[in-house]
Amino acid sequence: EVQLVESGGGLVQPGGSLRLSCAASGITFSTYWMTWVRQAPGKGLEWLANINEDGSDKSYVDSVKGRFTISRDNAKNSLYLQMNSLSAEDTAVYYCARLKYCSGGGCPTTYYYMDVWGKGTTVTVSS
Amino acid sequence: SYELTQPPSVSVSPGQTAKITCSGDKLGKTYTFWYQQRPGQSPVLVIFHDSKRPSGIPERFSGSSSGNTATLTISGTQAMDEADYYCQAWDSSVVFGGGTKLTVL
Repeated sequence: EVQLVESGGGLVQPGGSLRLSCAASGITFSTYWMTWVRQAPGKGLEWLANINEDGSDKSYVDSVKGRFTISRDNAKNSLYLQMNSLSAEDTAVYYCARLKYCSGGGCPTTYYYMDVWGKGTTVTVSS
Repeated sequence: SYELTQPPSVSVSPGQTAKITCSGDKLGKTYTFWYQQRPGQSPVLVIFHDSKRPSGIPERFSGSSSGNTATLTISGTQAMDEADYYCQAWDSSVVFGGGTKLTVL
């Protein structure tokens, strides 16, 4: 069974940092793109960042560029999100998810979607 | 930035058909994906590539896309289908719709 388990959330002061982790099991982790998505209280889903299979290709939503860094350790089957300069607007549940995609000449159209999600970890930014 | 528009809420009686729409000016050129999020739970993929169901998703869930509008249809809606539903597409980045709260009255 495919499982993604996030950890590392908690209460942090404005301006602080936090590192989230996502442990994968039941999949050949190194063969999949991965992603982070968050959901502020009472709000919708917001995509944050993608990373390719070997970590050489990363992309971010504008609102977190320069503050958040996505990374992975395939030897540990783990995905990470380093979050710096946190503000109240970053308060949310953070989900990791496995990404399915097709891009390039062999694809009818470029697409990315999440087929497996973790249960999420909660980040609260408050003084 | 690219936007996907969904109605904030849809109501349906048990056993009836619910339709949730998602509009975006590039949907005719790309795939739409749908996620169900029950209260307090993480999202679950229910439709991919406009109209395909992942294994384990009941047949009452179906999807379609025409022009700039994608539609998620739930036939014979059950109480357990009460949830938030999000559409998603790709336009230089992952884009989600604002979500639709489905109420089964």
